[in-house]
Amino acid sequence: DAGVIQSPRHEVTEMGQEVTLRCKPISGHDYLFWYRQTMMRGLELLIYFNNNVPIDDSGMPEDRFSAKMPNASFSTLKIQPSEPRDSAVYFCASSLYGTVASYEQYFGPGTRLTVT
Amino acid sequence: QQPVQSPQAVILREGEDAVINCSSSKALYSVHWYRQKHGEAPVFLMILLKGGEQKGHEKISASFNEKKQQSSLYLTASQLSYSGTYFCGTERSNYGQNFVFGPGTRLSVLP
Repeated sequence: DAGVIQSPRHEVTEMGQEVTLRCKPISGHDYLFWYRQTMMRGLELLIYFNNNVPIDDSGMPEDRFSAKMPNASFSTLKIQPSEPRDSAVYFCASSLYGTVASYEQYFGPGTRLTVT
Repeated sequence: QQPVQSPQAVILREGEDAVINCSSSKALYSVHWYRQKHGEAPVFLMILLKGGEQKGHEKISASFNEKKQQSSLYLTASQLSYSGTYFCGTERSNYGQNFVFGPGTRLSVLP
């Protein structure tokens, strides 16, 4: 199994530009999570999906952030416009069928975003 | 609502034991433990559900005291490979609501 795939692995962009991060979950997993990790704020859950439907987006910092999951094998996290404070490592994770409480999350390698 | 972890950091010699604690002010349904090595993604260690169960993974085990809303991770006879940051994640229901990671505990194992 290839595991959770994220692209790009590194992204450097200028303030004001649109950034799109991509994630392919493990086949058969029906939960997908987006996290942001920074030294100051730690590992934050931004949003998660169940069967392609957003369940909880209360962690999305503001309207500049949006996430979609058009099908079971693909999700995007978009930031528009980007700001320097968005610089972080963004992780995507997926989990197998069942309640979130019962199953481990498999993390992708992350996308390191730098906004200058 | 973020759980509290203690200590923030710990340094061990190979073969020594360590305990990492995770506590919450809210009633918990489950506690997750993950380990993250520098520059890598978090990796799952174990999940403990309400009921006070204890689990083990090689020489790493954990307990969950639901009355105190506390979980502890026990690392025995630590190995160099145990170095990393340990995160606990807590859930208040079995629907994944309010899932949140703690700030992490940095563990360094020296030869």
